[in-house]
Amino acid sequence: GAVVSQHPSWVICKSGTSVKIECRSLDFQATTMFWYRQFPKQSLMLMATSNEGSKATYEQGVEKDKFLINHASLTLSTLTVTSAHPEDSSFYICSARDEGRSYNSPLHFGNGTRLTVT
Amino acid sequence: AQSVSQHNHHVILSEAASLELGCNYSYGGTVNLFWYVQYPGQHLQLLLKYFSGDPLVKGIKGFEAEFIKSKFSFNLRKPSVQWSDTAEYFCAVYYGGSQGNLIFGKGTKLSVKP
Repeated sequence: GAVVSQHPSWVICKSGTSVKIECRSLDFQATTMFWYRQFPKQSLMLMATSNEGSKATYEQGVEKDKFLINHASLTLSTLTVTSAHPEDSSFYICSARDEGRSYNSPLHFGNGTRLTVT
Repeated sequence: AQSVSQHNHHVILSEAASLELGCNYSYGGTVNLFWYVQYPGQHLQLLLKYFSGDPLVKGIKGFEAEFIKSKFSFNLRKPSVQWSDTAEYFCAVYYGGSQGNLIFGKGTKLSVKP
């Protein structure tokens, strides 16, 4: 079945550095991918909708300049956390739908990335 | 590796029928459990969640779920579905505390016939 691959699965970085997280659709094309973050004891929060070939749509309260999203191809979206700070430490997860089949096809989630900023 | 299983890929019901969607997970430690729903054309929305306390959790729109620790299950229920409940339902399990991970089930598509 369709798979969404997310890389890396975990990363530790120093405060002030940038981290790039990749989300790939392995056997389907996705014009739209979604980026979420999860804090302990909270529900999933949608950060942004990544659109292939155009600018991402960010949710209210999410800093565009801090969380850079690039969706350069139909199978790859990247989220770059720029100048990371300890409060950016979180679990990030992406999802995508195989739109080539139908708008009603299943939504697939990546395995997530645990980011720890020291 | 930890996993989340949703037993049904597609469920078709008539209006007023009762609903139960199964969710089982493999992790034996402390977990936070969630059910999310995605209506056509919309983003994921939280239906309900369990962190601790009463294992019977009530959510929005008449949904409830019961956490049965011994069975590693968190099944979603609704006594009487409506056509507007047609959507995709995802069970998710967060495990591992402050450095934890979140795993989603593959989802169950619910179609309710009017």
